[in-house]
Amino acid sequence: GEDVEQSLFLSVREGDSSVINCTYTDSSSTYLYWYKQEPGAGLQLLTYIFSNMDMKQDQRLTVLLNKKDKHLSLRIADTQTGDSAIYFCAGSGNQGGKLIFGQGTELSVKP
Amino acid sequence: EAGVVQSPRYKIIEKKQPVAFWCNPISGHNTLYWYRQNLGQGPELLIRYENEEAVDDSQLPKDRFSAERLKGVDSTLKIQPAELGDSAVYLCASSPRGEVTDTQYFGPGTRLTVL
Repeated sequence: GEDVEQSLFLSVREGDSSVINCTYTDSSSTYLYWYKQEPGAGLQLLTYIFSNMDMKQDQRLTVLLNKKDKHLSLRIADTQTGDSAIYFCAGSGNQGGKLIFGQGTELSVKP
Repeated sequence: EAGVVQSPRYKIIEKKQPVAFWCNPISGHNTLYWYRQNLGQGPELLIRYENEEAVDDSQLPKDRFSAERLKGVDSTLKIQPAELGDSAVYLCASSPRGEVTDTQYFGPGTRLTVL
């Protein structure tokens, strides 16, 4: 089955760019997602990318997909303290509706 | 538009006690999911419903877990009896049709602590 791996922690200074990385094993994932989870809250969908795309930009967020290496990244420009949260990447796999999540990357933004 | 609603938000019980969680999906969403999120981990799917039918319950520990979605709208997830290892956040999500192209929207979750 699908396996999704993420680095556990990332610390940046306010105003810097953050890059959160993810690798996945199932190349049949049609969509790849980035979710944000703040303390005590559910998962908020940030953005997603279709598997036939290389890049998607949405305001401060840029998603890069390297299908050859099965590597996904999320870049947050001008990172703010409000961006501090846990970020999960997830693949849709090849089974309808079943998301496979990584273990999450905790982003800490220091003023 | 209201999001996915879950209750209770927090539950503390002693082991061997029963517990139930409730979820109301986004209006019009046919597909409902229950996920379990252990501390420091990503969510893992327990069960997926298409309307009132459970179409994927392969990850549900059926000896103690049960779920229902009788009218194809609200859903209840039950654990009986609870064990210490069941302490986790239980997340409910919904999507319009459950297709690979659909986005899943998550509720705030129920944090269960089993003592």
